[in-house]
Formats: sequence, C-alpha cells, structure tokens
Amino acid sequence: GQNIDQPTEMTATEGAIVQINCTYQTSGFNGLFWYQQHAGEAPTFLSYNVLDGLEEKGRFSSFLSRSKGYSYLLLKELQMKDSASYLCAVRLPMDSSYKLIFGSGTRLLVRP
Amino acid sequence: DAGVIQSPRHEVTEMGQEVTLRCKPISGHDYLFWYRQTMMRGLELLIYFNNNVPIDDSGMPEDRFSAKMPNASFSTLKIQPSEPRDSAVYFCASSPPGLAGGAEQFFGPGTRLTVL
Repeated sequence: GQNIDQPTEMTATEGAIVQINCTYQTSGFNGLFWYQQHAGEAPTFLSYNVLDGLEEKGRFSSFLSRSKGYSYLLLKELQMKDSASYLCAVRLPMDSSYKLIFGSGTRLLVRP
Repeated sequence: DAGVIQSPRHEVTEMGQEVTLRCKPISGHDYLFWYRQTMMRGLELLIYFNNNVPIDDSGMPEDRFSAKMPNASFSTLKIQPSEPRDSAVYFCASSPPGLAGGAEQFFGPGTRLTVL
C-alpha cells in the first residue's frame, strides 16, 4: 500500500516561520509535490522535488530526503493569506503510471 | 488562458439518478485527471488520460463510474446510478506534456456533488 503522513493541523503566528513535515512509504518514487488549497477552492501547485536537497521559491522552500522518505515545506514571513491546507503528494514511477498519491493535508491557521 | 473549466459547479441529485460532470482542460495540455475529494479519504485520483486515451483507471471506485475523453478539449465523468456515498468534490486537472519530467497539474474549480 501507499502511505503518506502529515500533521492534521498546525497553528502559527503572522510573521513567523512554520515547517510542515511529510513522511512517505510508497511502492516507488518519482518526485514529491506540495500543493496549497484554500477552503472551498482548488489545489494550486507550490513546489516539486525529485532530488535530495532544498528548493527555494520566494517565501516557500521545500526539502527532500529520499533515503528517509521525508520532505518538509517551510513557510517564512507568514501572512494571514497563508492560512490554508497544504497537501504533500508523491508521484509513483512509470510502472505505476506516474500517478500522484496525496496525503490528507495539513490545515495551517495563521493568527495575528 | 481561462484555466481548467468544470461544470456544473454544484450538483444536487437524488439517489439513483445519473450524474454527468464535465471538464475542459487547458489548451495544449495532453494529460487530464479526475480526482475526488472527501473529508474522510482526502484527494484521490480516479482516472487519467494522455492524448485522450485512458492510462490508469485503477482509482475508479466501481462500475457505476465511467469517464470519457472524446477529444482533446472535453472530458466527462459519469455516475450511474448515483449513491449518497458519492457525495464529494470532484476535481478535474490537466498538465502539459512532460509528466515524467515534473509537469505540475492545474486544477479546475471543482464540482460539489451532493446525492440525497
């Protein structure tokens, strides 16, 4: 089976830094995605990692360790608009038709 | 570009009725995905197409669900007959060529389906 674990909820303060962790145990690996989803809206792409290390994109960074089956999303200088769910997704390899498996998401609440 | 277009945005129907959800992918995208999202099960892939051909339908829950993509700009997901447990938000997403290389998926606004 495929298993992706994320914390259910997190709370942080405006202006602070928050790290959302994701661990995965899947039958294969061909990349890890992070998506943001505001309540009642569609998921939107944030980042993609396929090699180990840190990818930085403005206030958001994503890290991957394939040997540990671990990723995190780092959000800096938090803003109220960052309150949303953050979905970790693993893409399976070609023999599993490259499908994306999503975690249940982490609901982040940013407080003033 | 208008993005991925889905219709209807909301659908309320009674158990046993046929439901058809529609999707228009972004022009030039050759991958199309249908997902279902519920509180209990999160976001699940139902089926996806590449160049109008179904590639993986292992996520389709049962024979009551069917999906078609008659051309590059249109796809349907049909549920017949519908049941209350089908109530969910159904998302369509598309991505450009190069999935293996890491192409992101662009999601439509979703169809919120309620089966009474």
